[in-house]
Amino acid sequence: EAGVTQFPSHSVIEKGQTVTLRCDPISGHDNLYWYRRVMGKEIKFLLHFVKESKQDESGMPNNRFLAERTGGTYSTLKVQPAELEDSGVYFCASSQGSLPSYEQYFGPGTRLTVT
Amino acid sequence: AQSVTQLDSQVPVFEEAPVELRCNYSSSVSVYLFWYVQYPNQGLQLLLKYLSGSTLVESINGFEAEFNKSQTSFHLRKPSVHISDTAEYFCAVAGGSYIPTFGRGTSLIVHP
Repeated sequence: EAGVTQFPSHSVIEKGQTVTLRCDPISGHDNLYWYRRVMGKEIKFLLHFVKESKQDESGMPNNRFLAERTGGTYSTLKVQPAELEDSGVYFCASSQGSLPSYEQYFGPGTRLTVT
Repeated sequence: AQSVTQLDSQVPVFEEAPVELRCNYSSSVSVYLFWYVQYPNQGLQLLLKYLSGSTLVESINGFEAEFNKSQTSFHLRKPSVHISDTAEYFCAVAGGSYIPTFGRGTSLIVHP
């Protein structure tokens, strides 16, 4: 069974540009989560989808970030326009059911560098 | 609100030595506690978790952690480490919302 995949693995963009990150969860997992780790700091929650609905987006830093999950399968996270402080590793995770009873499975992350 | 403090950013040890990675948390509600491990170029993997019941929880690869409510700690231990245990370890706490709050991570570096 394939794990959570993320694309791209690395992205380097200039300040002011737009970047779209993609996450493909494990097939059949209704719950999808986005997290971000700024270098050397904590992994911070961004938002949680249940199927195509946003269950909790309390961690989204500002309106430059837009997450979608059309059809309840893969998800995208768009940053527009990117700022220097958006640099970090963006992790996606999925779970078959609700936390904490079900395990979250994490993707390898997308390393975003804004110059 | 909840928070996690991992007191050590790096822990170097020699192979076959014991190791303890420290984790303290704060929370105003009952908690669930987790340790995740991240090997190079991979995603985080759940190592072990405490949800309820026995305060001592174990992983399949020899790690264990003990939930200590009075000291608000969930330290991770292994009596004898291997080179393959070299990785970054994250402690996490979850409360009412069940979304985990992570610590900053501890890099375990095992030397031959």
